[in-house]
Amino acid sequence: QQQVKQSPQSLIVQKGGISIINCAYENTAFDYFPWYQQFPGKGPALLIAIRPDVSEKKEGRFTISFNKSAKQFSLHIMDSQPGDSATYFCAARSGNTGKLIFGQGTTLQVKP
Amino acid sequence: KAGVTQTPRYLIKTRGQQVTLSCSPISGHRSVSWYQQTPGQGLQFLFEYFSETQRNKGNFPGRFSGRQFSNSRSEMNVSTLELGDSALYLCASSLQGHEQYFGPGTRLTVT
Repeated sequence: QQQVKQSPQSLIVQKGGISIINCAYENTAFDYFPWYQQFPGKGPALLIAIRPDVSEKKEGRFTISFNKSAKQFSLHIMDSQPGDSATYFCAARSGNTGKLIFGQGTTLQVKP
Repeated sequence: KAGVTQTPRYLIKTRGQQVTLSCSPISGHRSVSWYQQTPGQGLQFLFEYFSETQRNKGNFPGRFSGRQFSNSRSEMNVSTLELGDSALYLCASSLQGHEQYFGPGTRLTVT
């Protein structure tokens, strides 16, 4: 019940296309859902996060869509660029703690 | 503001040894969490410290321990190292209930 399931495991998108990564969870106590981007040799960097009282949040080319009833959320990267090629992790947390439960990650490759 | 810093960045140890990793959080952040990242298991939560107290603990053996000092800096210790402990160890800091920011990690190799 503590798991967060992420798909796909890998994704190849053409430059300018839309990248979509999906996550699902079971624990209804989760109340904070961040997405992280990680480049090789670096720590994860916070991209965007959402709480379940909103269904969508947009920051630049990155959008989170959240479906509370389905217990699913997704990351959309619009106008994908080669510089977006990285591994993306969704995560979930309950309460004001520092315990994040991560999905398995998606390796995104954006082809020029 | 300076980001989260971790030292050392790379470490090579032998089975059976112990190791101590250090994390300095962003100034003003009192919560520090530690994660282990491996290709097979992904990112797994180790423990969280807040105001020098362990607040949460993941499913790791007792060989993994940590502490936090009054200036919020944190250390984690792994005793009796095993080959399977080879991983990237990440620490993240946050204001309570807010976004977590990760450091660059310490790459531990156990031979």
